Amino acid sequence: GQQLNQSPQSMFIQEGEDVSMNCTSSSIFNTWLWYKQEPGEGPVLLIALYKAGELTSNGRLTAQFGITRKDSFLNISASIPSDVGIYFCAGPQGAGGTSYGKLTFGQGTILTVHP
Amino acid sequence: SQTIHQWPATLVQPVGSPLSLECTVEGTSNPNLYWYRQAAGRGLQLLFYSVGIGQISSEVPQNLSASRPQDRQFILSSKKLLLSDSGFYLCAGHSPLHFGNGTRLTVT
Repeated sequence: GQQLNQSPQSMFIQEGEDVSMNCTSSSIFNTWLWYKQEPGEGPVLLIALYKAGELTSNGRLTAQFGITRKDSFLNISASIPSDVGIYFCAGPQGAGGTSYGKLTFGQGTILTVHP
Repeated sequence: SQTIHQWPATLVQPVGSPLSLECTVEGTSNPNLYWYRQAAGRGLQLLFYSVGIGQISSEVPQNLSASRPQDRQFILSSKKLLLSDSGFYLCAGHSPLHFGNGTRLTVT
């Protein structure tokens, strides 16, 4: 089945540093979603990307939909302690899928920010 | 906007006991609803989804079942829990997906 590979698996950074993480797949996706999960809570949607090449920002977060439609990137600028959490990429199941509820998730990138 | 409510937040159950987790939705009618499970704080796996009352689709074979008795209610159940059923269970709805705060289930 489809798999989303996220890297790195974990990151330990200093407050103020920029962060970059990515998500790749052997299958084409029509949508890329980025979520953040804090301990004991459900994932929260950060950014949704719907078009190849699309670059979208949400505050200090910027995500891009890769031109090949097989990858996506999430960048966080000037990290702060509250950025700590697990970041997941996700996309609709099935090659070229369009259901935004039936999602395939990556394994997540664990971000730790040292003050 | 849609709000997903789940309870309880945490649950410890012995092996072989029954399970019932409830999810209710506010802010929309006839929502598509989903149950996901997350093991060991990593990737989420879709278990069930429902497009309406009484309509359930299962994504993976397992010891669990789901029901949709009302438009805004989605229930996850088991007749006899296994140790492997431990995990973080998340109800979700809306498009793109929004999640509730989950139930941490520990089977002992």
